[in-house]
Amino acid sequence: KNEVEQSPQNLTAQEGEFITINCSYSVGISALHWLQQHPGGGIVSLFMLSSGKKKHGRLIATINIQEKHSSLHITASHPRDSAVYICAVRARDSNYQLIWGAGTKLIIKP
Amino acid sequence: DAGVIQSPRHEVTEMGQEVTLRCKPISGHNSLFWYRQTMMRGLELLIYFNNNVPIDDSGMPEDRFSAKMPNASFSTLKIQPSEPRDSAVYFCASSFQGGGTEAFFGQGTRLTVV
Repeated sequence: KNEVEQSPQNLTAQEGEFITINCSYSVGISALHWLQQHPGGGIVSLFMLSSGKKKHGRLIATINIQEKHSSLHITASHPRDSAVYICAVRARDSNYQLIWGAGTKLIIKP
Repeated sequence: DAGVIQSPRHEVTEMGQEVTLRCKPISGHNSLFWYRQTMMRGLELLIYFNNNVPIDDSGMPEDRFSAKMPNASFSTLKIQPSEPRDSAVYFCASSFQGGGTEAFFGQGTRLTVV
């Protein structure tokens, strides 16, 4: 079993829909990252969380440390949100190593 | 700030040739990471530098791979000799204080070894 599991693996939705991507992990962590990767493109850091909730524009990330679970939400989704969304955690016993999820491929249709 | 700058963006080379990938981290960041991304294995950490010193190179696949960071504003990843299985996207990322803050990624170098 992977230490970081994302679901779903693939998600296709219509423009305007509310999107939720989930990340569950099995190790104790000091931080969780959400990143975005567009096809053929670079990787962009969206959020770094250690507790609670963060919001940036239409993106919201939440984390529940007790349940070892985080969600990334996209409100009013748009075709330009189509990308792979990656969850990565920094284990409590490491100050630099990230454990990566496999990513969720999101396609938003117009 | 221009962000993390990698060059080249694309590299196609023949098996056996030497390949050098370059990275300029964000000014002021003291941590630099080289990652490799493939379909099969996802993102793998190759090497981590802190204050220009290699801290963890356990992810470097084999002796054909080497990385240097001669100063705070430049790093190279060299593959010699290259093999087809080295084909991947190589990312450089930098941060301040290791993993304690967000890491900023470059656009990546897509390497194809034929």
